Amino acid sequence: KQEVTQIPAALSVPEGENLVLNCSFTDSAIYNLQWFRQDPGKGLTSLLLIQSSQREQTSGRLNASLDKSSGRSTLYIAASQPGDSATYLCAVNYGGATNKLIFGTGTLLAVQP
Amino acid sequence: DGGITQSPKYLFRKEGQNVTLSCEQNLNHDAMYWYRQDPGQGLRLIYYSQIVNDFQKGDIAEGYSVSREKKESFPLTVTSAQKNPTAFYLCAVWGQNYGYTFGSGTRLTVV
Repeated sequence: KQEVTQIPAALSVPEGENLVLNCSFTDSAIYNLQWFRQDPGKGLTSLLLIQSSQREQTSGRLNASLDKSSGRSTLYIAASQPGDSATYLCAVNYGGATNKLIFGTGTLLAVQP
Repeated sequence: DGGITQSPKYLFRKEGQNVTLSCEQNLNHDAMYWYRQDPGQGLRLIYYSQIVNDFQKGDIAEGYSVSREKKESFPLTVTSAQKNPTAFYLCAVWGQNYGYTFGSGTRLTVV
């Protein structure tokens, strides 16, 4: 069964810290992996998309890595800010006929000022 | 919203009533999706459409129906057969080089 797990479920850090969010998936034959951010009551905002042939992607203070062989991805947030507080979702696309996403249950991040 | 408009933002359904959630996109993507989000659970796929006039059931299609008459539009109807419709509904489009882009969602509540 294709499953995605995110650890930790919740994280609270002081402003300015660098932090790592973890995502693991059971089936390594992925098409791509996408990290999203969700604010309370809002839709999902795409942060980074990593294709299966890529090892990492960067956007500003965010860096996402992908290790298919170990079934892991990490989202690194540098110099965290209170505005980074949100739920972060990892989702895996296995391609095929649907290109549907398999989601983790997310990491709720709180950055304290 | 990245070119995806969902309406209404909030919707209330009475018992036995059908309701329709709107999803419109101007990103010119062929593939459109409906996901459902419940507290403490990952998003789950309801229906998807890869092209106009064609759509397929996802993992939790029972009690839902869709249509795809135009490339820009993919409305979702929650029928009275859906026994637990209270949830947050998200529409999305998919592009090979861009991945998924989601709308802002519709929160449906049974009253």
